[in-house]
Amino acid sequence: DVKVTQSSRYLVKRTGEKVFLECVQDMDHENMFWYRQDPGLGLRLIYFSYDVKMKEKGDIPEGYSVSREKKERFSLILESASTNQTSMYLCASTPPGAYYGYTFGSGTRLTVV
Amino acid sequence: GESVGLHLPTLSVQEGDNSIINCAYSNSASDYFIWYKQESGKGPQFIIDIRSNMDKRQGQRVTVLLNKTVKHLSLQIAATQPGDSAVYFCAEGYNAGNMLTFGGGTRLMVKP
Repeated sequence: DVKVTQSSRYLVKRTGEKVFLECVQDMDHENMFWYRQDPGLGLRLIYFSYDVKMKEKGDIPEGYSVSREKKERFSLILESASTNQTSMYLCASTPPGAYYGYTFGSGTRLTVV
Repeated sequence: GESVGLHLPTLSVQEGDNSIINCAYSNSASDYFIWYKQESGKGPQFIIDIRSNMDKRQGQRVTVLLNKTVKHLSLQIAATQPGDSAVYFCAEGYNAGNMLTFGGGTRLMVKP
């Protein structure tokens, strides 16, 4: 089974801190995604990547950046955390082409105080 | 832009009854649909998918129905159990492009 691992289940950070959320997948998937999930707003795409070193903005990239130095790892970076970035963050991966659903990680619940 | 939506945000059913969760989609080009289940504090898990060349697909206790005429997708869960309590999302994609659009989710509550 494909496994997508997010390094932290719960994080509490202070406003202004630089925050790193890590995601690793073990099935050699090319495509990786970062979403945030908020009540009433559903899943919103922050960034995605189709290959190493490649990144594309999603619907809400402001305040975030990403890094994909290795195929298996996709990191989400909050440059200067703010309280409105308190959310559940979900990483997902999928192989390219054809018809595949995403495999999601367990999520990281980030609280910015 | 086009989006996927759900008719009912919360569905409460009695244990043992059948559940039906609905989803409307608006992108007529979508040709791939997925249902996910998300339990509290966990990431979404794949339940079942269907391609647009099919009207129905069955899994274990779950059935997905696709009505392309009215752009409607439903998830049927037979003999609903307490472990089925979760939020259910539909998602759509097209052209094998790997970019899915997600619905807002329906919360299923199973009463003992």
